[in-house]
Amino acid sequence: GAGVSQSPRYKVAKRGQDVALRCDPISGHVSLFWYQQALGQGPEFLTYFQNEAQLDKSGLPSDRFFAERPEGSVSTLKIQRTQQEDSAVYLCASSMDRDEQYFGPGTRLTVT
Amino acid sequence: GDSVTQMEGPVTLSEEAFLTINCTYTATGYPSLFWYVQYPGEGLQLLLKATKADDKGSNKGFEATYRKETTSFHLEKGSVQVSDSAVYFCADRPQGGSEKLVFGKGTKLTVNP
Repeated sequence: GAGVSQSPRYKVAKRGQDVALRCDPISGHVSLFWYQQALGQGPEFLTYFQNEAQLDKSGLPSDRFFAERPEGSVSTLKIQRTQQEDSAVYLCASSMDRDEQYFGPGTRLTVT
Repeated sequence: GDSVTQMEGPVTLSEEAFLTINCTYTATGYPSLFWYVQYPGEGLQLLLKATKADDKGSNKGFEATYRKETTSFHLEKGSVQVSDSAVYFCADRPQGGSEKLVFGKGTKLTVNP
């Protein structure tokens, strides 16, 4: 079946612009996660949803980062007033249970 | 909070060589442990997992044993292939609370024919 999809795959933004990154999880998956992966590093947790409820947003680096999942399916990660340090690959993952998370291909964000 | 430390790369091996990638963790309680793999141009995929002490996860010839006494989850394979070239990430999921994963920095493996 279809896996986790993310769009766009690549995004170039000028410093100060707002961006929105989309994640389509696997159908029926209750849990959805966002991670940030800097070049040469492992993914770092940003936030987690169970259905439409955002249960953990402890990893969001600043109040410029905002995530939503209004109908418990598709999720959007929004970054306001982008900064150069926001350049990274943003990964979305979904899961049905507490074990395996299925990852999307990621969105590579470059802030110039 | 939990943290994961894994062997610095890159690692370069010849085909059929033995592979070990070390991973240790710091955690409160009993986390679940995972190895994820990222092949060139692809997304992260779960390779294997172990959810309690002394469990052994295995898949595609790879193995890792959850060692509580040494807080380790080292990845091993007896005979690597060129197709195993990828970046390998060790991760833990803290006991209780959020389902988030805590990842190590990754180890790049290159296998030459």
